[in-house]
Amino acid sequence: EVQLVESGGGVVRPGGSLRLSCVASGFTFDDYAMSWVRQAPGKGPEWVSSISWNGGSIGYADSVKGRFTISRDNTKNSLFLQMNSLRAEDTALYHCVRVYTGSYYLAFDIWGQGTMVIVSS
Amino acid sequence: SSELTQDPAVSVALGQTVRITCQGDSLRNYYASWYQQKPGQAPVLVVFDKNKRPSGIPDRFSGSSSGNTASLTITGAQAVDEADYYCNSRDRSGNHAVFGGGTKLTVL
Repeated sequence: EVQLVESGGGVVRPGGSLRLSCVASGFTFDDYAMSWVRQAPGKGPEWVSSISWNGGSIGYADSVKGRFTISRDNTKNSLFLQMNSLRAEDTALYHCVRVYTGSYYLAFDIWGQGTMVIVSS
Repeated sequence: SSELTQDPAVSVALGQTVRITCQGDSLRNYYASWYQQKPGQAPVLVVFDKNKRPSGIPDRFSGSSSGNTASLTITGAQAVDEADYYCNSRDRSGNHAVFGGGTKLTVL
């Protein structure tokens, strides 16, 4: 069964840090680019960051650039998101997502259930 | 504000056909992908590329595109199709991803 399982969420004060992890199973992890997508309570999905299969290409949403760092360890089928200088507006459910892409499309075909991050004083 | 615009809510009578639209400049160059999300669940990809469905998605879901507008059509809507639907694509630069604000579908 293809599966993505996130961990590492929690409650953190503004300005604090958290490191999210995602473990993949059921597919060849290093065949795929991966992403983090978040959903604030009651809101739609927001793309956060993506990383290519070998980590050679990385992108961030403007809202997190300079504060968040995406990485992966293909030997452990794992994806990470280091989040620093957290703000209240970063409060959301963070999903680990598999990227399925072609020349003219970008799709997120497998989603984890997410890990909740709450930034509050 | 999102680079992809969706109507906030749409309704359809049971068994009828409904079209959900997504507008944005990037859709002139890229196809939209469509996701269904039910309360308390992660989004599920239902249509991607020109008009492809992942395994297990019923063929009543189809996608199309014209100019800067992408559409998700549900032919013969069922009660189980009541959900939020989101489109996504690459942004205008092609380097990032962007989502629409979502459409809440009610099946009457």
